[in-house]
Amino acid sequence: ETGVTQSPTHLIKTRGQQVTLRCSSQSGHNTVSWYQQALGQGPQFIFQYYREEENGRGNFPPRFSGLQFPNYSSELNVNALELDDSALYLCASSLGRQRPAYGYTFGSGTRLTVV
Amino acid sequence: AQTVTQSQPEMSVQEAETVTLSCTYDTSENNYYLFWYKQPPSRQMILVIRQEAYKQQNATENRFSVNFQKAAKSFSLKISDSQLGDTAMYFCAFRNTDKLIFGTGTRLQVFP
Repeated sequence: ETGVTQSPTHLIKTRGQQVTLRCSSQSGHNTVSWYQQALGQGPQFIFQYYREEENGRGNFPPRFSGLQFPNYSSELNVNALELDDSALYLCASSLGRQRPAYGYTFGSGTRLTVV
Repeated sequence: AQTVTQSQPEMSVQEAETVTLSCTYDTSENNYYLFWYKQPPSRQMILVIRQEAYKQQNATENRFSVNFQKAAKSFSLKISDSQLGDTAMYFCAFRNTDKLIFGTGTRLQVFP
């Protein structure tokens, strides 16, 4: 059973640029969620995808967008990067509402630095 | 809005001793799920233990156990026989539908 893999592990971007982060979900999981973890904080929910559609969103502006593909992998896109977007971005996969008690399997994250 | 509070930014314990990490939450929901996650320097969130709110019995996983007090909205984690490998950030998290709400974490240091 493969876990959640994220790429790249580290990334440095300039303010105003766009970035795409990638995530492969754990085998058998159909739901993918993205979280932003600022330094010294707990992760904050960005959004969730199920069957290639967004089915939940946190308090993030529209310049944060995503995709889920038929194989359940996912992308997080951030446009017009700001310095405050510097954070660890975590991807998590799960069985969604079918098994809410099951919890989430997390990847090791992408460390994004905006300069 | 649901919130999760971890009031202990840092804790330390000697190897083989027992330590308890605190967590409180606020919700008007009756059916929900609670989790403790461990985040070592490798950054990956690792599920430690889970509790379903409708179950009165406290969850246990080997050296890890919880004290779930639903009326008080409290969900503490007890680590018995602490090991050096338990050194990490620990996050309490609440789930009702489609997302996890995390606390700010407790940094646990286990000393030899």
